[in-house]
Amino acid sequence: AQSVTQLDSQVPVFEEAPVELRCNYSSSVSVYLFWYVQYPNQGLQLLLKYLSGSTLVKGINGFEAEFNKSQTSFHLRKPSVHISDTAEYFCAVSDLGAQKLVFGQGTRLTINP
Amino acid sequence: GAVVSQHPSRVICKSGTSVKIECRSLDFQATTMFWYRQFPKQSLMLMATSNEGSKATYEQGVEKDKFLINHASLTLSTLTVTSAHPEDSSFYICSALERGGGTDTQYFGPGTRLTVL
Repeated sequence: AQSVTQLDSQVPVFEEAPVELRCNYSSSVSVYLFWYVQYPNQGLQLLLKYLSGSTLVKGINGFEAEFNKSQTSFHLRKPSVHISDTAEYFCAVSDLGAQKLVFGQGTRLTINP
Repeated sequence: GAVVSQHPSRVICKSGTSVKIECRSLDFQATTMFWYRQFPKQSLMLMATSNEGSKATYEQGVEKDKFLINHASLTLSTLTVTSAHPEDSSFYICSALERGGGTDTQYFGPGTRLTVL
């Protein structure tokens, strides 16, 4: 069985500052990894995904994430955040069939002016 | 990217009534769709996997007679909450699985907020 741990439930940062949202996973098999963003009262939007290949994955809205197999991590980063990045961010893992996503608890990113 | 819609976005109903929620993949065909439930300030919990032309697969603890799922076409899955009660109030989100090139990705609908009075 897979599990995902998002180490921070809330992350406040100032506008234009860099941010890192941490995600660790556990799995006995190879996995796909995803980051989704959820704005208030909306569904989830895919930010980026790691399937194979380069461990540095670039996504939408200037976000990127790095897959680290030895540390079983998939941390999300953005060099300079904007007010509009305020949202809930979910890390998720699935087996190679991508049939079932297991989500982390979510991290609420709050951008302060 | 792929677009998934849900209807309605909000619904308020009386206890004991049934509510149907539709999930549509607008620009791709989805043989597999998923239904999730999200409580306030919590993560998503998978309720069931909906497969076109066959019965849905429910997660442990989800009542299949209460949450009826029908996946009648390659672009539409419906979730019917039967005899709804206040404890069924929640945010329901569907996703559709897009397959292609050896990679599968779930795209999510905007969610439906159900309030049972």
